[in-house]
Amino acid sequence: EVQLVQSGAEVKKPGESLKISCKGSGYSFTSYWIGWVRQMPGKGLEWMGIIYPGDSDTRYSPSFQGQVTISADKSISTAYLQWSSLKASDTAMYYCARLGQNELDVWGQGTTVTVSS
Amino acid sequence: EIVLTQSPGTLSLSPGERATLSCRASQSVSSSYLAWYQQKPGQAPRLLIYGASSRATGIPDRFSGSGSGTDFTLTISRLEPEDFAVYYCQQYGSSPPGLTFGGGTKVEIK
Repeated sequence: EVQLVQSGAEVKKPGESLKISCKGSGYSFTSYWIGWVRQMPGKGLEWMGIIYPGDSDTRYSPSFQGQVTISADKSISTAYLQWSSLKASDTAMYYCARLGQNELDVWGQGTTVTVSS
Repeated sequence: EIVLTQSPGTLSLSPGERATLSCRASQSVSSSYLAWYQQKPGQAPRLLIYGASSRATGIPDRFSGSGSGTDFTLTISRLEPEDFAVYYCQQYGSSPPGLTFGGGTKVEIK
């Protein structure tokens, strides 16, 4: 079964760093782009960026460039999304998803990030 | 940057009725690059339609997609209770690579 399994919920304070993960299984992890999508409470979906684990080629949405870092470790079939200094406005659900042809065909279950003092 | 505008924002219908959701792009989009997703409360989005009109694996045939250029439509022929959810359209741009989502349409029980 093709699946993406994300790391668990996080509660952090403003200014702290964070790295969340997304582990792929059931397919060739290095052959598909992995995207990250933000969903703020009660809001819609926002594309953050994508990474090709085969060579770590990474593209960011202009809205998120410089705000987060996307990376991958192909040896363990895992992609990451990290922040160096969290803000309250980073509170959201974060999804990873596999890019099929031109669409996100497999989604992780989501990771809730709460940033509060 | 292509902007996707979905309408209506909310659609109030009864089970058994037909739902027609619109997704309009600010410039022409290749049909190959247009997808639709369903999201239920507390769940991750699920791919329904890709390539504007192809159903994803396991998606019932009451869901259909159509359109080209700047105007795309998701139709649910007869609403089942499990179809009440939020629906998003999405386009993929190849240069530079990236995705854009529409703002979503909520289909609620009337």
